[in-house]
Amino acid sequence: QSVLTQPPSVSAAPGQKVTISCSGSSSNIGNNYVFWYQQLPGTAPKLLIYDIHKRPSGIPDRFSGSKSGTSATLGITGLQTGDEADYYCGAWDSSLSAVLFGGGTKLTVL
Amino acid sequence: QVTLKESGPALVESTQTLTLTCTFAGFSLMTRGMRVNWIRQPPGKALEWLARIDWDDDKFYSASLKTRLTISKDTSNNQVFLTITDTDPVDTGTYYCARGTTEVTPAFDYWGQGTLVTVSS
Repeated sequence: QSVLTQPPSVSAAPGQKVTISCSGSSSNIGNNYVFWYQQLPGTAPKLLIYDIHKRPSGIPDRFSGSKSGTSATLGITGLQTGDEADYYCGAWDSSLSAVLFGGGTKLTVL
Repeated sequence: QVTLKESGPALVESTQTLTLTCTFAGFSLMTRGMRVNWIRQPPGKALEWLARIDWDDDKFYSASLKTRLTISKDTSNNQVFLTITDTDPVDTGTYYCARGTTEVTPAFDYWGQGTLVTVSS
């Protein structure tokens, strides 16, 4: 069982917006940077968001990140069929001195 | 161009020690701020972070696996190693190495393709 909690699945229609939540505690999300990955089937994860809301070069601004208290959110606008993937949140945990991942959320674009 | 590649045995017998190698290019672990992490993913399951080694030889481990993991580096050959002792079938999965930097930390910006390890009972 992951320490960071994500919904197992979310879905939305093409062109719509979807949000994926990631819940943690004060030792991880509450006081540290959050990051998000996209993993397409059979491939290595791709960094979408780091430092809560920053996007690496090449990641479109359809992807956004935010944090409030001990929860973080990934937002995706203008959904495309190519966005169908598993999405993982993560953060450093100061108590454990370790990186934690969420359990992953499967996005279906209907 | 930053690249990482994992290598190691595809099949290991339960209770044996597993040693994985990450060979990288395009950066140096002697450069301040550079880090290499190991992450694994059992078939059909979530990502699990395992360990990290920094440019200054600081090391960090998963709390649940700490007693079984050892991470080390060979900076002259651009390699990082991960040893997992007393393996079990639950250790079966794809093992990735990934680069971290002070800019994106604690995230990782470049990943290897992964290597699938099966632990047989």
